[in-house]
Amino acid sequence: EAQVTQNPRYLITVTGKKLTVTCSQNMNHEYMSWYRQDPGLGLRQIYYSMNVEVTDKGDVPEGYKVSRKEKRNFPLILESPSPNQTSLYFCASSISTGGYYGYTFGSGTRLTVV
Amino acid sequence: AQTVTQSQPEMSVQEAETVTLSCTYDTSESDYYLFWYKQPPSRQMILVIRQEAYKQQNATENRFSVNFQKAAKSFSLKISDSQLGDAAMYFCAYRSYAGGTSYGKLTFGQGTILTVHP
Repeated sequence: EAQVTQNPRYLITVTGKKLTVTCSQNMNHEYMSWYRQDPGLGLRQIYYSMNVEVTDKGDVPEGYKVSRKEKRNFPLILESPSPNQTSLYFCASSISTGGYYGYTFGSGTRLTVV
Repeated sequence: AQTVTQSQPEMSVQEAETVTLSCTYDTSESDYYLFWYKQPPSRQMILVIRQEAYKQQNATENRFSVNFQKAAKSFSLKISDSQLGDAAMYFCAYRSYAGGTSYGKLTFGQGTILTVHP
């Protein structure tokens, strides 16, 4: 089954404790992206990657890191999480940067930083 | 940069009735795609319908249809014969035709929560 697998589904952590949210897709998609969803703001792009070793900032990159060492994986790293990073996070992939196909989304990670 | 606005934070509809969700956007591009995504309580993002800007004909998918007004930069979603399973958050989204300066970004509106009453 074609899918984007994101883990964990829920995560509660303390301020400053490094964490990684994993994302993997099995569709050989070139384009991958991370979003955060907050009430009243919709989804906002954090980082994106157009291919292996090619990543760039989205609209809200502060406090986050990513890497793309393999085409299928695109982990999101919070090196020192803060309470303002409490949010719902989505990983998504697309066959290209072109628009027709939209995105395939992961099932989301609910992160709480206390 | 493109922006997408959904001015209705919440909408409600009676089962079997019709409801329309509004979306406006701002762009200087002439070629682009517009999408409606559904997010039920499971949090999964589900593509409902898409529209290519170069097509004048409005897209339709079963009970879901859009009213695309390119000059007005408006893209509303009509749900006919509403069902309890249609209850969800709905997001309108914009994507450039070929990457462009936004490099494939999907730009979302704020979302509209749809409640369906039995």
